[in-house]
Amino acid sequence: DAGVIQSPRHEVTEMGQEVTLRCKPISGHNSLFWYRQTMMRGLELLIYFNNNVPIDDSGMPEDRFSAKMPNASFSTLKIQPSEPRDSAVYFCASSLASLYNEQFFGPGTRLTVL
Amino acid sequence: KNQVEQSPQSLIILEGKNCTLQCNYTVSPFSNLRWYKQDTGRGPVSLTIMTFSENTKSNGRYTATLDADTKQSSLHITASQLSDSASYICVVSASGGSYIPTFGRGTSLIVHP
Repeated sequence: DAGVIQSPRHEVTEMGQEVTLRCKPISGHNSLFWYRQTMMRGLELLIYFNNNVPIDDSGMPEDRFSAKMPNASFSTLKIQPSEPRDSAVYFCASSLASLYNEQFFGPGTRLTVL
Repeated sequence: KNQVEQSPQSLIILEGKNCTLQCNYTVSPFSNLRWYKQDTGRGPVSLTIMTFSENTKSNGRYTATLDADTKQSSLHITASQLSDSASYICVVSASGGSYIPTFGRGTSLIVHP
């Protein structure tokens, strides 16, 4: 298995532009997580899907952020409009929804908003 | 509120030396605790998992301990190598059906030759 796949790996955009981050979870995993990581705040959970359904989106900072999971093999995180303070590394992780829920992380997308 | 606190925030050691990283948590009811290693530019990777009944677990040169009474865990690295330079993140999960773990801020370890 190729592991969790994220694209793009790097994204540089200007303030006000729309940004879409993509994630393909590990086949067979039924839970998917989007995280944001910054030096100041560490890893922050943005949203969690179980069986393609959003379960907890309380970590989504504001309405500019939205996430979808149209099927078990694909998810997107969209920021519209983007702002410089959105600059961070965004990780997608997947897991089996089990008691020992190890999360397998993708390589991350480094987003820079100018 | 569930919280995970890690110390030290950063650590610099010489190659070959041992070190210990600390994790204190207030997550309740406790299910399990994981230590993740995150290399620069990569996503975190799980090193060990510990449940309530486990006190010690080893993975090569990494040894994790858990004291469920005091809600503390440590990660001991023996005979450090340059490749151990990374961030080490303590993650605690609660029981009761929630699959959302609580992450610590991590300890940044630098191993110098």
